Amino acid sequence: GAGVSQSPRYKVAKRGQDVALRCDPISGHVSLFWYQQALGQGPEFLTYFQNEAQLDKSGLPSDRFFAERPEGSVSTLKIQRTQQEDSAVYLCASSLEGQHQPQHFGDGTRLSIL
Amino acid sequence: KNEVEQSPQNLTAQEGEFITINCSYSVGISALHWLQQHPGGGIVSLFMLSSGKKKHGRLIATINIQEKHSSLHITASHPRDSAVYICAVRSGGSNYKLTFGKGTLLTVNP
Repeated sequence: GAGVSQSPRYKVAKRGQDVALRCDPISGHVSLFWYQQALGQGPEFLTYFQNEAQLDKSGLPSDRFFAERPEGSVSTLKIQRTQQEDSAVYLCASSLEGQHQPQHFGDGTRLSIL
Repeated sequence: KNEVEQSPQNLTAQEGEFITINCSYSVGISALHWLQQHPGGGIVSLFMLSSGKKKHGRLIATINIQEKHSSLHITASHPRDSAVYICAVRSGGSNYKLTFGKGTLLTVNP
């Protein structure tokens, strides 16, 4: 389909390992968002891209978290030296430009840190 | 205190019942979203509204800006409506950042 695609769907890593999560937005969508959703909670904003520019990274919980979107399409969220508290579902969303545009969400990557 | 509060946290209903889920927020907003999340994580946007009322099929969303309150109604509920329903607001100071409630887990029994 033509929706937002995230991979992998599930990731298990040992504490201390680095992980990389991928998001393929809908073609033509300028805006891209990453969210973190802990178990039983609503999503929380991590970062926002407009094309390749990271305009807001205020939600990244620590300097172990890094996101990029080098060509303005695919985005990668990287977590270095993972900790158990990083276990969550990581959601990606994309939208057309403009504040009245709805965000389209991917199915998320469920990350478990052992 | 969360900026976005939903009630109830959990709701169990019998098929056919009328469902109401409430959302209160504490900040000035430019838009409010109702989202549906099924087990497995996928989120679907149901409504985006900034005033009044919207209807789509059996779903109705209303918002009262003065009271900072929104409701999502489901008429003639069905087991396939079972999901987590999440309220999210875009504050007036941002044209993109959403703040989410914790969600309401709805279970509709046949």
